[in-house]
This record gives sequence, structure tokens and C-alpha cells, in this order.
Amino acid sequence: RKEVEQDPGPFNVPEGATVAFNCTYSNSASQSFFWYRQDCRKEPKLLMSVYSSGNEDGRFTAQLNRASQYISLLIRDSKLSDSATYLCVVSPTGFQKLVFGTGTRLLVSP
Amino acid sequence: DAMVIQNPRYQVTQFGKPVTLSCSQTLNHNVMYWYQQKSSQAPKLLFHYYDKDFNNEADTPDNFQSRRPNTSFCFLDIRSPGLGDAAMYLCATSRSKADTDTQYFGPGTRLTVL
Repeated sequence: RKEVEQDPGPFNVPEGATVAFNCTYSNSASQSFFWYRQDCRKEPKLLMSVYSSGNEDGRFTAQLNRASQYISLLIRDSKLSDSATYLCVVSPTGFQKLVFGTGTRLLVSP
Repeated sequence: DAMVIQNPRYQVTQFGKPVTLSCSQTLNHNVMYWYQQKSSQAPKLLFHYYDKDFNNEADTPDNFQSRRPNTSFCFLDIRSPGLGDAAMYLCATSRSKADTDTQYFGPGTRLTVL
């Protein structure tokens, strides 16, 4: 079983749609959780950290469910510029040893 | 302004011919990382330096080595590249090893092995 699993997609949605991605992780002792965004042939960039209480940044909302070991990302009012691959990232040790999922590809169309 | 710089952006080498990839940073961060990302796969950590302290991942092949001569620079040496080593190599930095510090990635070097 992979340490971090994501549906690879692609998710094809129209502009303005709401879309949700889920991610599961295998190590119940994992400490920290993140969503990164990676554009085609570019480097990953941190989108947001994920906290147990859930957190929101504009149109983006992240949730963590430790009991079920899954993380979610909700994007509201999708923009064309949101088209990218979204990487779920877990830090098992709490000390920057990041484990990346393979990513979920989002395509937002006009 | 670029903060993590990787050179070259594209590198072509021949099977078995040693190659060195370069990373530099202007952030004065203590930690530097090298990741390998193959097509449609997740970035995979190869090793990292915490200051001068080198930390190799258990499953990183011996073919991969690294050097960090000073805070700003870190090199990835592939001693005898195989076809399976063709990938994007990403350098990243963070201020410390605490997860509260963001990792900043460079643009990557795409390695082709002929």
C-alpha cells in the first residue's frame, strides 16, 4: 500500500464549479499535512497546510480526518487558472521528510 | 526574484556518463533537499543536508551522491546514469527541519539519458 494515495483524475469541471479531492495516508502517526500545487512541467508550490480543525484560504478549504486517515481539499468557484495537479503531502515524522502523493489533475474549462 | 535556482534546466547525458546537477539558494536556509520526480509520479526524496549534516534516504541508490560545499550551493552527482534515471530533479530548501517551515522548490532540472 502506498503511503499517500490520491485519485489521479483528471477531474474535468466547468468554471465556477465546486470540486473536492480526497487523499488517504497509511501512517497513523503522521504529524503534518499539506496540499501542494504543481503546474505542468513546473515545480511544486505549497498551497496550504492542513490542520485538524480545518482551515480555509479564500476559495480553498482543507480538512483533516485523523481517525479515518484522510485529507480533503475543496475548491469553490473554480477558475481556469486552478488547472493544475494537486499533490497531497504528509510528513510522517514532523521533521520535513515529506511524502508526496502522485497528485490529482484538475482541468477547469470555460 | 529567484530564490532557489537550478542549473541547467535541461541536461542530456549518455548512458554511464557522470553528470552533476547544481542548485543554489538566496534564502540562507539551513536545509537543502534533492527529490527525483519521474513522469506522472510523486516527487521522491533522495537525500537532504541539514547544514553540513548529510542524510541519505534508505532506498536512494548508491549511484546518487551529493555535495554541499557551502550554505548556498548543493550538487547532485549521478555517477553512472542509467536509462531509469531519466527524470526531473528538484532541489528544495527550508529554514529548518520543522514542518512549520515551508519547503521552497527550484524549477527543476530535467535529465535525459541517451
